Amino acid sequence: SQQGEEDPQALSIQEGENATMNCSYKTSINNLQWYRQNSGRGLVHLILIRSNEREKHSGRLRVTLDTSKKSSSLLITASRAADTASYFCATVNFGNEKLTFGTGTRLTIIP
Amino acid sequence: DVKVTQSSRYLVKRTGEKVFLECVQDMDHENMFWYRQDPGLGLRLIYFSYDVKMKEKGDIPEGYSVSREKKERFSLILESASTNQTSMYLCASSFYGPLHFGNGTRLTVT
Repeated sequence: SQQGEEDPQALSIQEGENATMNCSYKTSINNLQWYRQNSGRGLVHLILIRSNEREKHSGRLRVTLDTSKKSSSLLITASRAADTASYFCATVNFGNEKLTFGTGTRLTIIP
Repeated sequence: DVKVTQSSRYLVKRTGEKVFLECVQDMDHENMFWYRQDPGLGLRLIYFSYDVKMKEKGDIPEGYSVSREKKERFSLILESASTNQTSMYLCASSFYGPLHFGNGTRLTVT
């Protein structure tokens, strides 16, 4: 079953602009994670935010979490061509380490 | 850096064959996972393991089994491959935190 749903499914922006992707989920979570996948490769972990955190930064990435709305957003600032990839959110429930992934957002950065 | 190695990048098998997908991690991680990835469906969990000889079903275990005889190795077995098992298979490991993924095995069943 899919826990996370990303929005939009696809996004194209000019290099240098900011990109925002959203994730909604259905049940209470322990933490939420964002991953990046370059074409045909495995996923790479970007950032983890716990249920008691509201915002987290890592370089050009900013993640927010609103547990009341069961949603999260990933902001990539000053986008680069190398940011072209698919981005997935994944949720972890309390009591286990099983991650449930959404269907992803395909981000294209236009040089 | 953690390395998760999947034995094959591409694999072509015939319907009815028994297929083994191998995954090895080098960081002594407790947890290992097998996902399949299909367009429009994202990643779906097939099986996972918290320790040697332990396994738990994920969301779509039908048609699959797993083996974890050693901590570093987690094998996915397709007992009798079918065309609807054509997919990208991703192995991952973790130590109670972020997952570390291999580069995937693209399996085609003809």
